[in-house]
Amino acid sequence: RKEVEQDPGPFNVPEGATVAFNCTYSNSASQSFFWYRQDCRKEPKLLMSVYSSGNEDGRFTAQLNRASQYISLLIRDSKLSDSATYLCVVSPQTGTYKYIFGTGTRLKVLA
Amino acid sequence: DTGVSQNPRHKITKRGQNVTFRCDPISEHNRLYWYRQTLGQGPEFLTYFQNEAQLEKSRLLSDRFSAERPKGSFSTLEIQRTEQGDSAMYLCASSLPGRETQYFGPGTRLLVL
Repeated sequence: RKEVEQDPGPFNVPEGATVAFNCTYSNSASQSFFWYRQDCRKEPKLLMSVYSSGNEDGRFTAQLNRASQYISLLIRDSKLSDSATYLCVVSPQTGTYKYIFGTGTRLKVLA
Repeated sequence: DTGVSQNPRHKITKRGQNVTFRCDPISEHNRLYWYRQTLGQGPEFLTYFQNEAQLEKSRLLSDRFSAERPKGSFSTLEIQRTEQGDSAMYLCASSLPGRETQYFGPGTRLLVL
C-alpha cells in the first residue's frame, strides 16, 4: 500500500460546481498534512495546511479525519483558474521533515 | 527575484555521463529538500538538509546519487553514470526554521538519451 494515495482523476467539472478530493495515508503516526497546487509544467505551491480542527480559506476547505486516516479538500464555486493538479502531502512522523507527496488529483474546470 | 533558483533549467545528457544540478534556496531558509518528479506522479522525496547536515536520504536513491550543502547555503545534486530511468524533473525546495511550508524552485528537467 502506498504511503499516500489519491485518485489521479481527471475531475472535469463545470464552472461554479463544488468538487471534493480525498487523500488517504497509511501511517497512523503522521503529524502534518498539506495540500499543494501544481499548475502544468510549474513547481508545486502550498495551497493550505490541514489542521485537526479543519480549516477554511475562502472557497477552499480542508479537513482531517484521523480515525479513517484521510484528508479532504473541498472547492466551492469552482473557477477556470482552479484547473490544476492538487497534491496531498503528509509528514509521516515527528522529528523528521521528510514529506511524502501523493500522485496528485487533476482538476479541470470547464466553461 | 528572491525565490528558490535552480540551474540549469534543462539538461540533456548521454547515458553513462555524470550530471550536477545546483539549487540556491531562499535566504535564511535553513532546510533544503530535493525531490524527483516524473510525468503523472507527485514529487518523490530524495533527501533533505538542515543547514549543512544531510539528515535523511531516501532508500530509493542508489549510490549513484549524492547531494551536498557544504556551507549551509546552496546545494548540489550529482548523478553519476546516468541511466535513462533518471530522466525526470528534479525539484529543490527550502523552508524557514520552525516552519513546514516548502517553497519550490522551477526545477531542472533532465533527459538521458
